[in-house]
Amino acid sequence: NAGVTQTPKFQVLKTGQSMTLQCAQDMNHNSMYWYRQDPGMGLRLIYYSASEGTTDKGEVPNGYNVSRLNKREFSLRLESAAPSQTSVYFCASSVDWVGEQFFGPGTRLTVL
Amino acid sequence: DQQVKQNSPSLSVQEGRISILNCDYTNSMFDYFLWYKKYPAEGPTFLISISSIKDKNEDGRFTVFLNKSAKHLSLHIVPSQPGDSAVYFCAASGYTPLVFGKGTRLSVIA
Repeated sequence: NAGVTQTPKFQVLKTGQSMTLQCAQDMNHNSMYWYRQDPGMGLRLIYYSASEGTTDKGEVPNGYNVSRLNKREFSLRLESAAPSQTSVYFCASSVDWVGEQFFGPGTRLTVL
Repeated sequence: DQQVKQNSPSLSVQEGRISILNCDYTNSMFDYFLWYKKYPAEGPTFLISISSIKDKNEDGRFTVFLNKSAKHLSLHIVPSQPGDSAVYFCAASGYTPLVFGKGTRLSVIA
């Protein structure tokens, strides 16, 4: 089992460009999450999907959109990237929305 | 308003000694608590958890203690090893997705 996979691993964007971060899990988990990690700020929840077909905002949703494509895949889209979105992005999944989460390796995004 | 607080950004411990990492929470609805470990350039990995019906849980060198009245939990690592050097995140849940603290960087010095 690969667990949680994320693509790409690294990305550099110019201000105003758009991109989609991809995440997939092979553990048959119901819930999936997107976090960003910034120095001194810990892990902040952007959006989550408690189950296939549902998505909800987390702590810092502004500037992002998500799609739960199917039970395995959960993507995060930046429509118009800003330097403030420079961060490391982690995808995670869990059996249910209140339990232990399993994290992917992260995507390091730089917006110039 | 931070619901989960890790007030020590960093901690240095000698190899072989005990490491104690602390975490405080404010939401009395939290009933499940976890510790994650994160190495640079990797995703966080689950370390140990505790339910609010317990006050202690052990797994090898790692023990988590929960004091519900004080809304405080701690992670003890005994004995500490250089490979334990990482950032440790405390997390809590109570019919909500996990809420994470900001992390404590542990350095174990050989």
